[in-house]
Amino acid sequence: GQQLNQSPQSMFIQEGEDVSMNCTSSSIFNTWLWYKQDPGEGPVLLIALYKAGELTSNGRLTAQFGITRKDSFLNISASIPSDVGIYFCAGQRGANSKLTFGKGITLSVRP
Amino acid sequence: EAQVTQNPRYLITVTGKKLTVTCSQNMNHEYMSWYRQDPGLGLRQIYYSMNVEVTDKGDVPEGYKVSRKEKRNFPLILESPSPNQTSLYFCASKKDLNTEAFFGQGTRLTVV
Repeated sequence: GQQLNQSPQSMFIQEGEDVSMNCTSSSIFNTWLWYKQDPGEGPVLLIALYKAGELTSNGRLTAQFGITRKDSFLNISASIPSDVGIYFCAGQRGANSKLTFGKGITLSVRP
Repeated sequence: EAQVTQNPRYLITVTGKKLTVTCSQNMNHEYMSWYRQDPGLGLRQIYYSMNVEVTDKGDVPEGYKVSRKEKRNFPLILESPSPNQTSLYFCASKKDLNTEAFFGQGTRLTVV
């Protein structure tokens, strides 16, 4: 089936640093979503992207929908301890298709 | 408050004992789905429902059943649970297929 690739599985950064996460696919997706999951909670939507080339910000978060429709990145600037969690990308091919999730990246932030 | 509510949050059961995990949403969303989350595998869709009485298999439907008799509820049924169904389960709902999914808080199931 369709797969979204996120790597590495874990990232460790220092508080205050910026971090960038990539999500790639061999297939085209028409919608890209980025979710964050805090420990013991369900995923929560961070940013939704609906148009190729779109660059969208949400506070310290910025995400872009790749021109090829096969990738997306999420950037977190000036990281803080509460940024710790698992970050998932998700893609949807079309109006009648389901969401496909990447395996997630676990982010750790050292104070 | 708009939310997706799952019950129970935690469940330990024995192999073969039928169980149901409930999911309810108060947003009048048409689209609901169930996922399981396992280490290193991310979120995998079990079943989804596009509306009342309309359900379909996701990526990993074996060993699970669902029903959608009312718009707000989408229970996940394990007729004969096995240890390989030990996992973290999430229910999600969407207004329609083009909008983002809202997730419940998860149900951690252990089958011994």
